[in-house]
Amino acid sequence: GNSVTQMEGPVTLSEEAFLTINCTYTATGYPSLFWYVQYPGEGLQLLLKATKADDKGSNKGFEATYRKETTSFHLEKGSVQVSDSAVYFCALKPGNQFYFGTGTSLTVIP
Amino acid sequence: SAVISQKPSRDICQRGTSLTIQCQVDSQVTMMFWYRQQPGQSLTLIATANQGSEATYESGFVIDKFPISRPNLTFSTLTVSNMSPEDSSIYLCSGKGFNTGELFFGEGSRLTVL
Repeated sequence: GNSVTQMEGPVTLSEEAFLTINCTYTATGYPSLFWYVQYPGEGLQLLLKATKADDKGSNKGFEATYRKETTSFHLEKGSVQVSDSAVYFCALKPGNQFYFGTGTSLTVIP
Repeated sequence: SAVISQKPSRDICQRGTSLTIQCQVDSQVTMMFWYRQQPGQSLTLIATANQGSEATYESGFVIDKFPISRPNLTFSTLTVSNMSPEDSSIYLCSGKGFNTGELFFGEGSRLTVL
């Protein structure tokens, strides 16, 4: 079946620290992979995506590389800011339907 | 990109009542979906809203409890019927864009049932 396994939170980091949020998936076929972010009190927003193996999605300093051999799509950022505090969701889309991970809450402290 | 507006943004309701959530998209989307996000949990797909016909429900969700309408390409409603405290959740409307295939979300409707 299709599923996403995401690193459990919450994660607390100091400003300018390096961030990694792990995401692995199981899927049939060749899914597209996404990271969504949910800021406090808001809906989900697309952060970045990758549609095929070895693609790297990037946005706002965040990056994730589609690794087919390890079925992973880990989210990274070299230097987090307080404004990055949010919940991050990994998702896959093997067909028309999206499958979401459980979300990882990130708090960045000054 | 599509901008999705939901209302109400939040409400407090009494047990046994029903509430309808409206979702308006500013541009056409191919598909519209309704999700539930319970506290501290991920998104659970309730149903796909089909234009002009009955919605397609996921396992565990039924039309009598969550009737959905989609009279045109840019508007949909979700009703939470005969509410109980277990229905307290955030309900999210989403639409899939024509060209990108990505999913756009509304800000969510936070429902508290007393």
